[in-house]
Amino acid sequence: ETGVTQSPTHLIKTRGQQVTLRCSSQSGHNTVSWYQQALGQGPQFIFQYYREEENGRGNFPPRFSGLQFPNYSSELNVNALELDDSALYLCASSSITDTQYFGPGTRLTVL
Amino acid sequence: GDSVTQMEGPVTLSEEACLTINCTYTATGYPSLFWYVQYPGEGLQLLLKATKADDKGSNKGFEATYRKETTSFHLEKGSVQVSDSAVYFCALSDREAAGNKLTFGGGTRVLVKP
Repeated sequence: ETGVTQSPTHLIKTRGQQVTLRCSSQSGHNTVSWYQQALGQGPQFIFQYYREEENGRGNFPPRFSGLQFPNYSSELNVNALELDDSALYLCASSSITDTQYFGPGTRLTVL
Repeated sequence: GDSVTQMEGPVTLSEEACLTINCTYTATGYPSLFWYVQYPGEGLQLLLKATKADDKGSNKGFEATYRKETTSFHLEKGSVQVSDSAVYFCALSDREAAGNKLTFGGGTRVLVKP
């Protein structure tokens, strides 16, 4: 059984640029959730996708957007990057009511 | 809204010492409770979970009991090893909310010295 994978591992961008992060969900899971983890803090919920539809959103501005594909993989897009967007971005997959399993994360640095 | 409070670290222990990390929660519904562990440079790994009052989750020598009356889910291990050095996160999932999003505490860093 393949676990949750994320790409890229690390990314460096400059303020104002746009970034796309990718996540492949674990086999058998139809739900993907994205979290932002700033250094030294707990993860914060960004949004969740269930069967290609957004199914809940945290307190993040509209420049954070996402997609889920028919194979349940997902993308997180961030426009107009700000310095405070520097963080570890975590993807988790699950069935809609079940335990979430996390990928290794993408470390984004905004200069 | 939902929230999780856990003790601040770092917690520094000697090998074979007992570990307790306190976690309390506030939730409008009837949550499931989790402990996740994060090793340096890695994502989160599920350590254990409990889905109803008085349930005990356990894994790799760690235990936590869902206490509804005190809204707590304290993590315990009787004898820690150097390999237990990591950051531990308490989290809840409110089943009455849409989906199963997780609300995390701020994390507790544990350092075990040989």
